[in-house]
Amino acid sequence: DAGVTQSPTHLIKTRGQHVTLRCSPISGHKSVSWYQQVLGQGPQFIFQYYEKEERGRGNFPDRFSARQFPNYSSELNVNALLLGDSALYLCASSPGSWEGEQYFGPGTRLTVT
Amino acid sequence: DAKTTQPNSMESNEEEPVHLPCNHSTISGTDYIHWYRQLPSQGPEYVIHGLTSNVNNRMASLAIAEDRKSSTLILHRATLRDAAVYYCILRDVISGGSNYKLTFGKGTLLTVNP
Repeated sequence: DAGVTQSPTHLIKTRGQHVTLRCSPISGHKSVSWYQQVLGQGPQFIFQYYEKEERGRGNFPDRFSARQFPNYSSELNVNALLLGDSALYLCASSPGSWEGEQYFGPGTRLTVT
Repeated sequence: DAKTTQPNSMESNEEEPVHLPCNHSTISGTDYIHWYRQLPSQGPEYVIHGLTSNVNNRMASLAIAEDRKSSTLILHRATLRDAAVYYCILRDVISGGSNYKLTFGKGTLLTVNP
């Protein structure tokens, strides 16, 4: 079975630009969460979506937004990129919104110059 | 957010057991204890979770103290492939009591020597 997939793998953007990151959950999983991992730190929670509704948001500015589509895939959008947005962006899926396990994708490495 | 405390790093020898400690003195009665690990250049991988009783699965064992203020992840025979950052996490409820997030700390970097 395919795991969580994310695209693109790597991305280089310039300050002020916009970026869209994509995530496809494991088949049958209805919940998608997004995390940001800065070098040397653990992942930090950004959003959780369940059944196409936002169920939670971490301490991130409004420049960060996301959505979930009817097929449960998801997009993370970041506007007006800052150098500090350079990080590994991780997507995780789970069958529901409360199960114990989250399954992570390999992440998208974003570099902002 | 519920907090955990882990050593920054630990070292082990191949084929020996490894005991990774975690303190969570502010844990509440409904907090599940989760362990994830992250291998280099990969996303985190679920290892095990528990509430009150000790848990075993094919990857590891989780020993939870009677007062639940600490837990220990046990790798019974470490291999070189177990070298990773291990995160001890208390699952946080984020809204309505039925949605949760994982709040990661810095974790423990486990080095396995051949």
